[in-house]
Amino acid sequence: SQTIHQWPATLVQPVGSPLSLECTVEGTSNPNLYWYRQAAGRGLQLLFYSVGIGQISSEVPQNLSASRPQDRQFILSSKKLLLSDSGFYLCAGWASGNTIYFGEGSWLTVV
Amino acid sequence: QKEVEQNSGPLSVPEGAIASLNCTYSDRGSQSFFWYRQYSGKSPELIMFIYSNGDKEDGRFTAQLNRASQYISLLIRDSKLSDSATYLCAMSGTGGYNKLIFGAGTRLAVHP
Repeated sequence: SQTIHQWPATLVQPVGSPLSLECTVEGTSNPNLYWYRQAAGRGLQLLFYSVGIGQISSEVPQNLSASRPQDRQFILSSKKLLLSDSGFYLCAGWASGNTIYFGEGSWLTVV
Repeated sequence: QKEVEQNSGPLSVPEGAIASLNCTYSDRGSQSFFWYRQYSGKSPELIMFIYSNGDKEDGRFTAQLNRASQYISLLIRDSKLSDSATYLCAMSGTGGYNKLIFGAGTRLAVHP
């Protein structure tokens, strides 16, 4: 079964600083990968998805970008963070069956 | 706008009772529906998925799908204190790629 790892688990960043969150997948190949964000007390919002290396689709206009340099690696980035970028970021993957699994999540606080 | 609506709760039930969680969706073309459990500060864990009209049972959990009413529910029998969490329902959108659209979640509190 697939396992998704995310890091860092927690970070506090000043406004205007860059961001890089990384996600790697084990136990499967060529998965669909997703970045979701969950604001406090809210549901999950899909930010990006990728069906293969170098293939990124954005769901909402925002201050963030995503990249997929390798089959099992998915990166979420920002050049300059905003206060509104704070939240719980979740990497997820789908490989087979009817299930999407999540990584442990990354808590981002922009101050 | 494709949406999934859930009552935010909290839903409070005594230990051993049946908890009933509900969800409505707007996109009639949605193929599959999912229930996730999320403990505070943690990532969501899949409980079960359903894509056929009717009931699907897995242990203490039963998911129900009613496509005519665009309604899904999750029943938790013999509720335990450890069931206290936020329950998220999700549907797969018609755009493909298994993109899931989530509701905001219902908080369940099981008390002794």
